[in-house]
Amino acid sequence: AQKVTQAQTEISVVEKEDVTLDCVYETRDTTYYLFWYKQPPSGELVFLIRRNSFDEQNEISGRYSWNFQKSTSSFNFTITASQVVDSAVYFCALSPENSGGYQKVTFGIGTKLQVIP
Amino acid sequence: EPEVTQTPSHQVTQMGQEVILRCVPISNHLYFYWYRQILGQKVEFLVSFYNNEISEKSEIFDDQFSVERPDGSNFTLKIRSTKLEDSAMYFCASSERQVYQPQHFGDGTRLSIL
Repeated sequence: AQKVTQAQTEISVVEKEDVTLDCVYETRDTTYYLFWYKQPPSGELVFLIRRNSFDEQNEISGRYSWNFQKSTSSFNFTITASQVVDSAVYFCALSPENSGGYQKVTFGIGTKLQVIP
Repeated sequence: EPEVTQTPSHQVTQMGQEVILRCVPISNHLYFYWYRQILGQKVEFLVSFYNNEISEKSEIFDDQFSVERPDGSNFTLKIRSTKLEDSAMYFCASSERQVYQPQHFGDGTRLSIL
């Protein structure tokens, strides 16, 4: 069974502050994929990043960075110098590698981020 | 950039009626999925579909649900006799053959059952 835990249900920060969204996962699979998706108020799901379980390198993309620590089963997401447009619900997600090729993505409950001007 | 499109964006249906939600996946994708998000809750996997058959389905996907790829472009989710608790946002997604490619989601269809 797979499980994704996002302990922070809501976070508020003032614009320009840095913020880290936590994600802890559980899986028995040895190979799996981790994802972050953003859901703005308009409701769509926007893909942000995918990480393979064999690749523990941290990644930076502009103001976004991700810290994958397999030893603690965590895949945290940091937004540097937050902006009002970052206000959204952020979902961490997990999918096992499947020899059938399809993915069954398990989502966390999401963290609602509010960036206050 | 190619995208997954879903229609309608909002569907209002009387309880007990059948509803069909439509999706056009990205054209070279081979795997198709439906997810559901009840308001304020997490996104839940419903079903995956490949090569004209269901690959896996969740406990939520009971006999009231069915999926179909009626032609080369559309992928549909049918709910045969809707219940109040079917009210949710339904997301369609698709992915390429390689498992490491991420799923691309549509903008969702908000289904409201009255």
